[in-house]
Amino acid sequence: DAGVIQSPRHEVTEMGQEVTLRCKPISGHNSLFWYRQTMMRGLELLIYFNNNVPIDDSGMPEDRFSAKMPNASFSTLKIQPSEPRDSAVYFCASSLSRVAKNIQYFGAGTRLSVL
Amino acid sequence: QKEVEQDPGPLSVPEGAIVSLNCTYSNSAFQYFMWYRQYSRKGPELLMYTYSSGNKEDGRFTAQVDKSSKYISLFIRDSQPSDSATYLCAMSPSNTGKLIFGQGTTLQVKP
Repeated sequence: DAGVIQSPRHEVTEMGQEVTLRCKPISGHNSLFWYRQTMMRGLELLIYFNNNVPIDDSGMPEDRFSAKMPNASFSTLKIQPSEPRDSAVYFCASSLSRVAKNIQYFGAGTRLSVL
Repeated sequence: QKEVEQDPGPLSVPEGAIVSLNCTYSNSAFQYFMWYRQYSRKGPELLMYTYSSGNKEDGRFTAQVDKSSKYISLFIRDSQPSDSATYLCAMSPSNTGKLIFGQGTTLQVKP
């Protein structure tokens, strides 16, 4: 099994640019989570999907952030426009909700630097 | 006050030592408790998963939950240099997947 796949692994962009992060969950998993990790705030849940439907986006910091899951094997997290304070590591995780949503498998993350 | 408190360390121990990692929490509704291990520049990986109170053992790892004290622990026996990582506790009041993470404790096991 390939695990959760995230791309790109690293992204460096300038303030004001649009950033798109991508995630492919584990095949067969039907819950998908987006997290952000910073030294100051630790690991925070931004949004999660169940069966491709957004269930809870209360962790999304601002309207500049949006997430989509057009099908069971692909999700995107978009930041438009990006700001230096968005610099962080963004993780995607997936789980099999019919077994245990809390048992989540994480990707390797995307390290975002906004200059 | 954060819902989940975890001493960030770093914690440095010699190889073979018993390691104790801890988290406290304030929300009495938490029912599901997890420990994740995160190596440098990697994603977190699930180590232990516990529902409600009690102990759970898996090899060299033991997870304990004391709901009366709102305190959870992870013990690592016979620690190895390969255990050097950041350990994150996580909790949830239900099986919704909405996890609250501690800040993580960085552990270094010296050969």
